[in-house]
Amino acid sequence: GENVEQHPSTLSVQEGDSAVIKCTYSDSASNYFPWYKQELGKGPQLIIDIRSNVGEKKDQRIAVTLNKTAKHFSLHITETQPEDSAVYFCAASNNAGNMLTFGGGTRLMVKP
Amino acid sequence: NAGVTQTPKFQVLKTGQSMTLQCAQDMNHNSMYWYRQDPGMGLRLIYYSASEGTTDKGEVPNGYNVSRLNKREFSLRLESAAPSQTSVYFCASSEEIGYSNQPQHFGDGTRLSIL
Repeated sequence: GENVEQHPSTLSVQEGDSAVIKCTYSDSASNYFPWYKQELGKGPQLIIDIRSNVGEKKDQRIAVTLNKTAKHFSLHITETQPEDSAVYFCAASNNAGNMLTFGGGTRLMVKP
Repeated sequence: NAGVTQTPKFQVLKTGQSMTLQCAQDMNHNSMYWYRQDPGMGLRLIYYSASEGTTDKGEVPNGYNVSRLNKREFSLRLESAAPSQTSVYFCASSEEIGYSNQPQHFGDGTRLSIL
């Protein structure tokens, strides 16, 4: 089955700096890669996703890149703000059942 | 604009007790899912329902049963709770399984402790 690894497990940045979180996946059939943000006491919330026919996708301060050959994808947050502090999860899935396999999460702390 | 609603939000059980976690969505989604979240392990799929009337096992189904009551509701049952089932349980829904992947929308979880 699919295995998704996520790094780093914790990340501390200064407000205004950029943050990068990286994930690798094992199943070459995976073709959908969402990123979720989870705030304390809440459920994961989808912030951006990318499909395997696209190499990069951007939404305001958030961007995701995908390298299918190397089987890794990354989340980039620019101009970080204190409200970006949360746990971020990457995930991977294929069309076979829409079953998501999640990475272990990254706790992002943005210091004002 | 509720989205996915889970009840209860918190529960404490004794080993061996039974419990049903409830989930309802108001987005007219076809597919629903149950996950558990343990520290440092992300979310793991317990069971899912591709459409009303169908259910399938996920990655960690042992010790659980599910019921897709109707299109809106998907419940998770622990028949005989064990301390290893202490976790945060999340329900999610999406438009459909099987075609292009559709985003999953999550509830805020049920925090379950088993003593």
